[in-house]
Amino acid sequence: DVVLTQSPLSLPVALGQPASISCRSSQSLVYSDGNTYLNWFQQRPGQSPRRLIYKVSHRDSGVPDRFSGSGSGTDFTLKISRVEAEDVGVYYCMQGTYWYTFGQGTRLEIK
Amino acid sequence: EVQLVQSGAEVKKPGESLKISCKTSGYSFTDYWIGWVRQMPGKGLEWMGIIYPGDSDTRYSPSFQGQVTFSADKSISTAYLQWNSLKASDSAIYYCTKESPEGSRSFDPWGQGTLVTVSS
Repeated sequence: DVVLTQSPLSLPVALGQPASISCRSSQSLVYSDGNTYLNWFQQRPGQSPRRLIYKVSHRDSGVPDRFSGSGSGTDFTLKISRVEAEDVGVYYCMQGTYWYTFGQGTRLEIK
Repeated sequence: EVQLVQSGAEVKKPGESLKISCKTSGYSFTDYWIGWVRQMPGKGLEWMGIIYPGDSDTRYSPSFQGQVTFSADKSISTAYLQWNSLKASDSAIYYCTKESPEGSRSFDPWGQGTLVTVSS
């Protein structure tokens, strides 16, 4: 099974400051078609998950451009350029290359 | 607008059966996979499996194989998640979600979730 390991698990960030979440995979997530199926989701308190990024770096419609995804192979990063209050919640990476698995989640809070 | 609207919260006793629903609208129901995800209280997301409503092709994560059943009714664009005999450990929020974009091996948007509580 592919295991996704996120770090940190807890991320206190001051408003307006940048934030970065890492997602490491136990195997390369490059699929046989050449694509890398790594996604990022945000789950605000009391809400359903919402996808932010798919295929490593494709931002979903309506997602602020302060969110960006990068990486390749086994190492991926979600970056928030300037944290706002509405960004509080849990962030999950998820891979779709080898079936589907989620990372453990990273809880972002305002410092 | 694509929407997935799930059925309401359920309270059941161990051993009882249950079927929850995910009613979709705003797209061609038979052309996209539907995924099911479990979130136990205070925990992370777990992928349960997928169903393709076009031909009812169904695939389960190993942990959920034999424990739940997915189905779909094309006539009303609705997907279902079913248990034959609930356990206390099935208490969780269950989400449905739609493949998007097509062939992306990714899923969005998500339903609002159905809270299932199993207690004697």
